[in-house]
Amino acid sequence: QKEVEQDPGPLSVPEGAIVSLNCTYSNSAFQYFMWYRQYSRKGPELLMYTYSSGNKEDGRFTAQVDKSSKYISLFIRDSQPSDSATYLCAMNPQGAQKLVFGQGTRLTINP
Amino acid sequence: DTEVTQTPKHLVMGMTNKKSLKCEQHMGHRAMYWYKQKAKKPPELMFVYSYEKLSINESVPSRFSPECPNSSLLNLHLHALQPEDSALYLCASSQHVPRNTEAFFGQGTRLTVV
Repeated sequence: QKEVEQDPGPLSVPEGAIVSLNCTYSNSAFQYFMWYRQYSRKGPELLMYTYSSGNKEDGRFTAQVDKSSKYISLFIRDSQPSDSATYLCAMNPQGAQKLVFGQGTRLTINP
Repeated sequence: DTEVTQTPKHLVMGMTNKKSLKCEQHMGHRAMYWYKQKAKKPPELMFVYSYEKLSINESVPSRFSPECPNSSLLNLHLHALQPEDSALYLCASSQHVPRNTEAFFGQGTRLTVV
């Protein structure tokens, strides 16, 4: 069993829809949670960074962490075609330098 | 400024060549990383430098040789690579533990070994 599970998709939704992306994990020591967006043939771009449980909002993006369920989510409101990319969740424990990534979800927003 | 700059963007090299990838950041980060990413896969950690010292080597073959000349620069020296080493090589940086903070990635070097 992988430490971090993420549905690879592909996920295709119409423009303007609310998108929900999720990851589950098994290591209860994970404390720091990140979401990256990666366009084709580019490096990952950090979207959201969350410590421990709770919600964080930045514009159209909301990150949620539920440590009791070992479940994290990224919501994208009013999705745009420019949001079409692969979304990677990543996490690590306190004091660890190694990020553990999910497999990435390929998302397409259709105009 | 949250920029990590990698050069070159693209590199084609033969199996007998020696080449180097370069990475630079000016965010004052003291942890720097090399990752390898194959198509449709997540990045895989290769090396971590903390305060210019190698702290993690994920059992990477010796044909990959990292170097951290100073706190802003990270190099990856390549020698006698194989075609299966073709991939996107990503550099990242973050503040040093225990102050875990977000890791920022460069745009990568797309390496093709022929």
